[in-house]
Amino acid sequence: DVKVTQSSRYLVKRTGEKVFLECVQDMDHENMFWYRQDPGLGLRLIYFSYDVKMKEKGDIPEGYSVSREKKERFSLILESASTNQTSMYLCASQAPYEQYFGPGTRLTVT
Amino acid sequence: TQLLEQSPQFLSIQEGENLTVYCNSSSVFSSLQWYRQEPGEGPVLLVTVVTGGEVKKLKRLTFQFGDARKDSSLHITAAQPGDTGLYLCAGAVFGTYKYIFGTGTRLKVLA
Repeated sequence: DVKVTQSSRYLVKRTGEKVFLECVQDMDHENMFWYRQDPGLGLRLIYFSYDVKMKEKGDIPEGYSVSREKKERFSLILESASTNQTSMYLCASQAPYEQYFGPGTRLTVT
Repeated sequence: TQLLEQSPQFLSIQEGENLTVYCNSSSVFSSLQWYRQEPGEGPVLLVTVVTGGEVKKLKRLTFQFGDARKDSSLHITAAQPGDTGLYLCAGAVFGTYKYIFGTGTRLKVLA
């Protein structure tokens, strides 16, 4: 079974803090994704990576950056957290035809 | 802009009833996935359909991919409270790594 893990299930940060969200997959997949999910807006793609050190912006990259130093690990960075970044963050790893999601990180920025 | 419209948005039914959820787009997808998501958790993959006209069954769940690969349906027979959750469809965009997610159907099955 594909396993995608995320470093934290719940996180509370203050405005202006730098926040790191980590995602690890165990299936040697090349493609990994970061989404945020908000009520009424569905899942929106922030960034994706198609190989180590390779990344592309998704639909809403502003305020975020990513890092992929190893194939199994994809990190999402909030350079200076803001209250409008309070959301559910979902990491996904892609096999041919389908994506597998981690359990999500519920981030609250106060 | 590619969109995947799901209907209905909300559904509340009694245990034992049947239901169908629809996922429609004007775009053609290379494949389509259905997920179920419970509160506070990530989406869990239920099925992937790849071929136009394909029908897949997973116990009481039947999934169909439209002939033109623009739409899909999920039918649940004899719904149970354990089927409660948010159902999402997602279409894979040809020639890209991108997926377009549906707006979601929130299902509640009452005992």
